Amino acid sequence: QVQLQESGPGLVKPSETLSLTCNVSGVSISSYYWSWIRQPLGKGLEWIGHIYYSGSTNYNPSLKSRVTISVDTSNNQFSLRLRSVTAADTAIYYCARYRGVLGADYWGQGTLVTVSS
Amino acid sequence: EIVLTQSPAIVSLSPGDSATLSCRASQTITSDLAWYQQKPGQAPRLLIYEASNRATGIPARFSGSGSGTDFTLTISSLEPEDFAVYYCQQSSNWPPLLTFGGGTKVEIK
Repeated sequence: QVQLQESGPGLVKPSETLSLTCNVSGVSISSYYWSWIRQPLGKGLEWIGHIYYSGSTNYNPSLKSRVTISVDTSNNQFSLRLRSVTAADTAIYYCARYRGVLGADYWGQGTLVTVSS
Repeated sequence: EIVLTQSPAIVSLSPGDSATLSCRASQTITSDLAWYQQKPGQAPRLLIYEASNRATGIPARFSGSGSGTDFTLTISSLEPEDFAVYYCQQSSNWPPLLTFGGGTKVEIK
């Protein structure tokens, strides 16, 4: 079955770069969009951005200047880099498969990233 | 930028009740609107896509409707496992930028 699994450091220092990887299994990453979404504890969902398997990206305008999403089709995974983090970037980060009008149908379990010195 | 406003923020209901959740867009959008359910400690789960289509495995008590700027998620008879937070989400046509509503919490009365 389709599974997504986020991995990466759970603690990042302010001003540094948050880096996460989403490993996809059970389906080829060579179709659809692959998204990053985050959720501050106790708050709502915020879309960060996504990448099409071809490599084209779209980002949330509010985060665009700090975000890079990349894809590694050979390893069936995609990654998030968020630069110059602050405490406001502390959140649970989810990866998900986004199929356009068909919605985001598969999600990772989420990983908590805390920004603190 | 399209803003999605969900109401009410919190609704208190009993099992067996019907729930009606609203999602209003700040401007007319296509039917590219989805609904998700999130339980504590879990990732969101897709319920409805294209405003009214149930995702795979979603019970028939969940239904979506609406067009233009006003969309509704209805849960016809609440089961204990339906008490959760519900989010709507839309995507702009091009480029495909996603937006989520602020969520509605359905809590046990």
